[in-house]
Amino acid sequence: AAGVIQSPRHLIKEKRETATLKCYPIPRHDTVYWYQQGPGQDPQFLISFYEKMQSDKGSIPDRFSAQQFSDYHSELNMSSLELGDSALYFCASSITSEGDTDTQYFGPGTRLTVL
Amino acid sequence: AQKVTQAQTEISVVEKEDVTLDCVYETRDTTYYLFWYKQPPSGELVFLIRRNSFDEQNEISGRYSWNFQKSTSSFNFTITASQVVDSAVYFCALAKAAGNKLTFGGGTRVLVKP
Repeated sequence: AAGVIQSPRHLIKEKRETATLKCYPIPRHDTVYWYQQGPGQDPQFLISFYEKMQSDKGSIPDRFSAQQFSDYHSELNMSSLELGDSALYFCASSITSEGDTDTQYFGPGTRLTVL
Repeated sequence: AQKVTQAQTEISVVEKEDVTLDCVYETRDTTYYLFWYKQPPSGELVFLIRRNSFDEQNEISGRYSWNFQKSTSSFNFTITASQVVDSAVYFCALAKAAGNKLTFGGGTRVLVKP
């Protein structure tokens, strides 16, 4: 079965640089979520999109932005990178219908290292 | 606000022992969903189970079983006859029916020694 695809899998950037993370949800899934997992921590919700519209927002820094495109893939743009942004970034997707919550399936993650 | 607590940060067992992971949650919602995810050393998050607040029936899947008790706001997970491949961090998570975002517990690291 098809899974969530994330690219790149690993990314190394310098401080103050920008980074773009991409997520391709499972086919027919209409909702995409982004989570950030610091070393030894649990995943923290950043932002989600349902049918290309932002549906919820968590603790996402103003330096970060995201969007979902017409083909349902999503991109997380990160600017003015800081050392503390080093983390594993997960994308998840689900089918959301009539307010029900379906299971979120996670991609393999993008490991971002900021030097 | 929602909260998930996994009091055990790390559990070490010898292969073939049973291990139970505790999960306690807090929510004001009457409808909600509970999940367990496994994160092996390779880093991905693997979905294990989903339960909604109206379904308190316990579930067994192979060596895995789950005990959902609404009265104590707990959703515990037992691995029977543990194997080395069970070594991972296990996360309990909670979602509102309408909001969808997952609130994770701190995770429990399980180390199964041969």
